[in-house]
Amino acid sequence: DVKVTQSSRYLVKRTGEKVFLECVQDMDHENMFWYRQDPGLGLRLIYFSYDVKMKEKGDIPEGYSVSREKKERFSLILESASTNQTSMYLCASSHSFDRISYEQYFGPGTRLTVT
Amino acid sequence: AQTVTQSQPEMSVQEAETVTLSCTYDTSESDYYLFWYKQPPSRQMILVIRQEAYKQQNATENRFSVNFQKAAKSFSLKISDSQLGDAAMYFCAYGGVQGAQKLVFGQGTRLTINP
Repeated sequence: DVKVTQSSRYLVKRTGEKVFLECVQDMDHENMFWYRQDPGLGLRLIYFSYDVKMKEKGDIPEGYSVSREKKERFSLILESASTNQTSMYLCASSHSFDRISYEQYFGPGTRLTVT
Repeated sequence: AQTVTQSQPEMSVQEAETVTLSCTYDTSESDYYLFWYKQPPSRQMILVIRQEAYKQQNATENRFSVNFQKAAKSFSLKISDSQLGDAAMYFCAYGGVQGAQKLVFGQGTRLTINP
């Protein structure tokens, strides 16, 4: 079974704090993704990575950065957390160049509250 | 840019009945993938069903089937013999073959099963 794990299920931070969300996958997937999920908006892509040290901006990258130093780990960083970053954050991974699968596997999510 | 629209924020169905969730999308690509993902209350998102655009035959997975209308850019999910365990958020997603396997998600439909 593919496993995607996220470091925390719930996180409460103060405005202005630096926040790290960690994601680890155990299936040697090339692609990794960070989404935020908000009611009525679905999932929106923040950043994705298709290889170690490679990253590309998604649809809503402002206020976020990412790091991928190892293939299995993809970190989302909020440099200075703000209340409008209160949300559910989902990590996902998938194989690259796999037209048959094309499936993304998701972690359980981190509910971040910024006060 | 591609967009995915789910016009039903909430749906409910009696146990053992059939329900259909709607999804429309907009794209100029001819080759792509469409997905339905399920997110139960425990939040781990899982793939329900996948459809390749070049296949005319509608995909089926046990009680789940799709009605794929390529010309109309419509991709609905039918759940037959609804069970209590089907209660979840359902997301429709689009994956273009040009898009580095990124997915574009709809807003989601919350499905309630009434016993």
